[in-house]
Amino acid sequence: NAGVMQNPRHLVRRRGQEARLRCSPMKGHSHVYWYRQLPEEGLKFMVYLQKENIIDESGMPKERFSAEFPKEGPSILRIQQVVRGDSAAYFCASSPPTGEWAEAFFGQGTRLTVV
Amino acid sequence: GNSVTQMEGPVTLSEEAFLTINCTYTATGYPSLFWYVQYPGEGLQLLLKATKADDKGSNKGFEATYRKETTSFHLEKGSVQVSDSAVYFCAKGSQGNLIFGKGTKLSVKP
Repeated sequence: NAGVMQNPRHLVRRRGQEARLRCSPMKGHSHVYWYRQLPEEGLKFMVYLQKENIIDESGMPKERFSAEFPKEGPSILRIQQVVRGDSAAYFCASSPPTGEWAEAFFGQGTRLTVV
Repeated sequence: GNSVTQMEGPVTLSEEAFLTINCTYTATGYPSLFWYVQYPGEGLQLLLKATKADDKGSNKGFEATYRKETTSFHLEKGSVQVSDSAVYFCAKGSQGNLIFGKGTKLSVKP
């Protein structure tokens, strides 16, 4: 049973480009969460999704950021027109249908560098 | 405010030393409390948790007790190993919307 898979592990984008980060939850998990970790900081909650639904997006920046978790396929975090301040590690976590956070697992993260 | 505050690192200890990493929180109500560990280049792993006052979470020799009166959840281990070297995060919340502390880097020397 593979864990939470994120890809790519490392992503370099020039300012103004788009970044697409993918997260495949653990098998049987239907809840996905995205977090951002800035250098020397703790993780900041961004968004919580279930299949085809955004449950809580209170941590998402109002502009340029969007997330989806389609019926089929991975969850996608999209950042449009990236800026240097978007450089961070982005972590995805998934939890089972019970929604019990204590049973959630994190992926290894995608490290985005904007040059 | 609504926050989690951890002692700043880095913390450097010799093998078999006693470890304490302080964590305090502000909150309304009684959130669940967590400690996560992040090894270099890896994602976070849940180390232990407590869901109500006076609960003690424990795992791999680490312990933390949910102290409502001091709003604290300090992490302790009686004898650290080199393999415990990592960054430790305290967090509170529920349903995946967690608030994390800034992390404390622990280095254990042989």
